[in-house]
This record gives sequence, C-alpha cells and structure tokens, in this order.
Amino acid sequence: AQKITQTQPGMFVQEKEAVTLDCTYDTSDPSYGLFWYKQPSSGEMIFLIYQGSYDQQNATEGRYSLNFQKARKSANLVISASQLGDSAMYFCAMWVDSNYQLIWGAGTKLIIKP
Amino acid sequence: GAVVSQHPSWVICKSGTSVKIECRSLDFQATTMFWYRQFPKQSLMLMATSNEGSKATYEQGVEKDKFLINHASLTLSTLTVTSAHPEDSSFYICSAKTGTGDNEQFFGPGTRLTVL
Repeated sequence: AQKITQTQPGMFVQEKEAVTLDCTYDTSDPSYGLFWYKQPSSGEMIFLIYQGSYDQQNATEGRYSLNFQKARKSANLVISASQLGDSAMYFCAMWVDSNYQLIWGAGTKLIIKP
Repeated sequence: GAVVSQHPSWVICKSGTSVKIECRSLDFQATTMFWYRQFPKQSLMLMATSNEGSKATYEQGVEKDKFLINHASLTLSTLTVTSAHPEDSSFYICSAKTGTGDNEQFFGPGTRLTVL
C-alpha cells in the first residue's frame, strides 16, 4: 500500500538554526515523485521541492534541500538557516502514476523561535 | 506561471443551502483537477478527481450527490456542496494538473466554508 509517514507532529527550532523534517514513504512502484509543501496559517499550499525516484542527485531549492535515501525510503526536508517566516505546517506527499493521486503525510507543525 | 485561483476564498452560509466553489487555472490548461478537504490541524483528504469533459471520480466515503463536481472546461472546475450542514464546514482546496508528463499539481489558495 502507498503510504507517507511524518513522525514529528510539531517542532520548535531557534531562528537561524537548520531543521530537518522527517518523511518516510512506502510504495512498491519503481516510479514515484516526492513533494514537500508548506502551508502557512493562511491555508495556501506552497510547493517547496520535488524529488523523482530516478533522480541521482538530491534536490535543492535555495534554503531547502531534500535528503533522499532511497534504500531507507526516506525523503527528509532540510531547511538551512531557518527564519521566522518558516513557521508553518509542512506536508510530505508522494505521487505514484498507478495511483494517479498525491498521498499525503499527516504534516509537521514547525515553529521558529526568535 | 501555473496559477490556480479559487472563488470565493471564504463563505458563510445557512444550513440547507447550496454553495458553489470555483477553481480556475489562469495560465494553463488543466486536464485534471483535484478537490481536497482539510479539517483543522489535519492533512489534506482527496475528495474527487475530475477530468475535463467526464464525470468525476469520487473517493470512497465521499457522497457524489452531496458534493457535485463539474469540470466543463480545461480551465474551470466547480464543487457544489448541496444542502450544506454544519459538519460540511471545512477548508476546501483544489489543485490542477496539466496533461504533460510531469506529475506536479498546482494548488488554489483554498476556500473556507462555514455552515451555520
């Protein structure tokens, strides 16, 4: 069965520190894509970063990087030099073509402390 | 590019009335649109998948007669909550996908529905 697991319901991090948000996934399909989204209190879903299952390199987008460990089926999001504006809910999601839908994790609420 | 809008962004209605939510892809053609529902402090729950010109595919447990979805054009899908009740109060989000090979979805800003 396709599944995304985010084990951290919430995290407090000091401003300017790096933070890692955990995400593990489960699928038997060899072709899949992993997404991270940020959802601030306004509700909009903001796309952060994407990793394809066949991508050789870990994805990076500015302060965001995805630590993709295929053998362990993990796709952790790393935010470097955290900022107060990073406080939000963060969702990990997986797309599998055979499912034709995004499978969502439960989310992690990140709070950045000044 | 790849902007999706939703209208209205916030609606309050009386119990028993129907509410229509629009989802538009502004600068691309969306062959597939997805409708999600999100309760406070929870993840997104897929309600239905709609392809332009065909009937929506509803997820298990979602009443198709209550949540009417129409995807009449490549840029517009509508969700109508019929005979709304307080338990339908939620945050509804749509997303749109192009027909190209990539699997990214573009999300609308969401509609907050409160049924009194």
